[in-house]
Amino acid sequence: DAGVTQSPTHLIKTRGQQVTLRCSPKSGHDTVSWYQQALGQGPQFIFQYYEEEERQRGNFPDRFSGHQFPNYSSELNVNALLLGDSALYLCASSLHRGAVADTQYFGPGTRLTVL
Amino acid sequence: AQKVTQAQTEISVVEKEDVTLDCVYETRDTTYYLFWYKQPPSGELVFLIRRNSFDEQNEISGRYSWNFQKSTSSFNFTITASQVVDSAVYFCALSESIQGAQKLVFGQGTRLTINP
Repeated sequence: DAGVTQSPTHLIKTRGQQVTLRCSPKSGHDTVSWYQQALGQGPQFIFQYYEEEERQRGNFPDRFSGHQFPNYSSELNVNALLLGDSALYLCASSLHRGAVADTQYFGPGTRLTVL
Repeated sequence: AQKVTQAQTEISVVEKEDVTLDCVYETRDTTYYLFWYKQPPSGELVFLIRRNSFDEQNEISGRYSWNFQKSTSSFNFTITASQVVDSAVYFCALSESIQGAQKLVFGQGTRLTINP
């Protein structure tokens, strides 16, 4: 049973560029959430996708956008990169259960460095 | 707003000692879920436990145990007879339900170092 996978593992970009990160959820899961983890901090919620729609969004600017595909995989796009966007980006998958918080299982993350 | 506080930034103990990681949370929800995750140097968050607000029974899994006390809004994690492999950053998290979507609110994490 494959777990959550993310690609690429590492990425180096320069300020102003755009980046796309990818995530495949755990088998049987239909919900994908994205988190940003700065060095030495806890993960911060970016947004969650279910049924190909953004269901909830954290306190992140519109430069951060996403997409979910019919096979439940997801992409995170960040435009006009800033130095402060350097972080570990974590994808988590879960099963949508409405008001019940299903366990979110995390992928290995993509480490983004902006120069 | 939901909030999770892990007051211990770093803990260092010698192998075989018992260690407790503290977690205090704030929420106005009557139904909520608490989690603990382990983050080894590789970076991947590893799920350890999920507990809902209706179940205050303590849980034990091998050398790991969790103490959930609603009266003090705490969900502490104890490792008994610690081992070097337990060295990692540990995060406590609280679920926040917003219009059917669930987001996790994490504490700042506690870096645990087990010395041989």
